[in-house]
Amino acid sequence: KNQVEQSPQSLIILEGKNCTLQCNYTVSPFSNLRWYKQDTGRGPVSLTIMTFSENTKSNGRYTATLDADTKQSSLHITASQLSDSASYICVVSDLYNTDKLIFGTGTRLQVFP
Amino acid sequence: GAVVSQHPSWVICKSGTSVKIECRSLDFQATTMFWYRQFPKQSLMLMATSNEGSKATYEQGVEKDKFLINHASLTLSTLTVTSAHPEDSSFYICSARYRTGPQETQYFGPGTRLLVL
Repeated sequence: KNQVEQSPQSLIILEGKNCTLQCNYTVSPFSNLRWYKQDTGRGPVSLTIMTFSENTKSNGRYTATLDADTKQSSLHITASQLSDSASYICVVSDLYNTDKLIFGTGTRLQVFP
Repeated sequence: GAVVSQHPSWVICKSGTSVKIECRSLDFQATTMFWYRQFPKQSLMLMATSNEGSKATYEQGVEKDKFLINHASLTLSTLTVTSAHPEDSSFYICSARYRTGPQETQYFGPGTRLLVL
């Protein structure tokens, strides 16, 4: 069964600090891996999208990495801000059915002043 | 980036009534849209795939007659929750497939919170 697992489940950090979120997946072969940010009561917003041939992708203070050999991805947030408080979801799409997104359970990040 | 809107953003209704939720792609055409529901602290669960001009494809366990989907144009898909019950209370999110060359992704709407009393 294709799975996407994220860790930690929740994370609390102080404003200005960096943090790294992890994603392990078993989807194979996969088409692409995406990281989304979801604020409470809102729809997910795309942060990064990487194909199997890409190792890293940045979007401002967000940097995603991908190791297709070990089937691991990470999302690094630099100089966190209060507005970074949200759930971060790792999503993988199957190569043979790219419409079917396999969602991780997310990491709930809280940034305190 | 591509923008997807949903209307209404929240709705409260009485048990037994029907509720229609609209999903629009504002600056691109989407032949395929998707409907998800999300319960508190859980992942999004795909309910159905909406294809413009044809019938929707429902995921296993999702009642077709309960959740009516219409994708009448390239920018609009609607989800109608018929004879809503309290257990239908949830956060409903749509997404639209967006293609740029060989790459495609899904852009999500802001969601609609449904509360059935």
